[in-house]
Amino acid sequence: DAKTTQPTSMDCAEGRAANLPCNHSTISGNEYVYWYRQIHSQGPQYIIHGLKNNETNEMASLIITEDRKSSTLILPHATLRDTAVYYCIVRGNQAGTALIFGKGTTLSVSS
Amino acid sequence: DVKVTQSSRYLVKRTGEKVFLECVQDMDHENMFWYRQDPGLGLRLIYFSYDVKMKEKGDIPEGYSVSREKKERFSLILESASTNQTSMYLCASLEGWGTDTQYFGPGTRLTVL
Repeated sequence: DAKTTQPTSMDCAEGRAANLPCNHSTISGNEYVYWYRQIHSQGPQYIIHGLKNNETNEMASLIITEDRKSSTLILPHATLRDTAVYYCIVRGNQAGTALIFGKGTTLSVSS
Repeated sequence: DVKVTQSSRYLVKRTGEKVFLECVQDMDHENMFWYRQDPGLGLRLIYFSYDVKMKEKGDIPEGYSVSREKKERFSLILESASTNQTSMYLCASLEGWGTDTQYFGPGTRLTVL
């Protein structure tokens, strides 16, 4: 079973920031938080990951709470092309620990 | 950029047929995965391989087998296709088991009639 809880769906206006929450209250000390997204009819695409510090790349920012029990993915200026299902995944770095995808959050960006 | 390709985007087969789904990655990754994706169930891991000729069962291996004869190629085999194997099949590769990310192929939508 997935170790994360995400809202089923969210809406966002084009040009505004999209903040996608994720709860992972049972995360263990060596597990990372990963975010992927899947645009319709395509394979999942990696966005960002982190352990305990906030992370930023060209696609998004990841804010992880101090207790690591939740995180937020931020798309600073959402566009129509960001409409997708967003998956929050926790995973350790041991061999054999494949990604376990939950049902994700469907983000709809509208003009 | 890493490229993961799958042999077909769409495939239609009949019940009882043997089906091969091919996946090729061009980045010399050691680890490769097969998932299936169904509405309401998300992605579920079928099999993965961490080296040539090595394979491990995932969460739902029943009805499937795999082959990894070369590092770049990981095949999923449905020995006798059934209608409940109608699904989207996704292949992925991963360089190492640290914090490296998985790269996914575009998927094969298989319909079994």
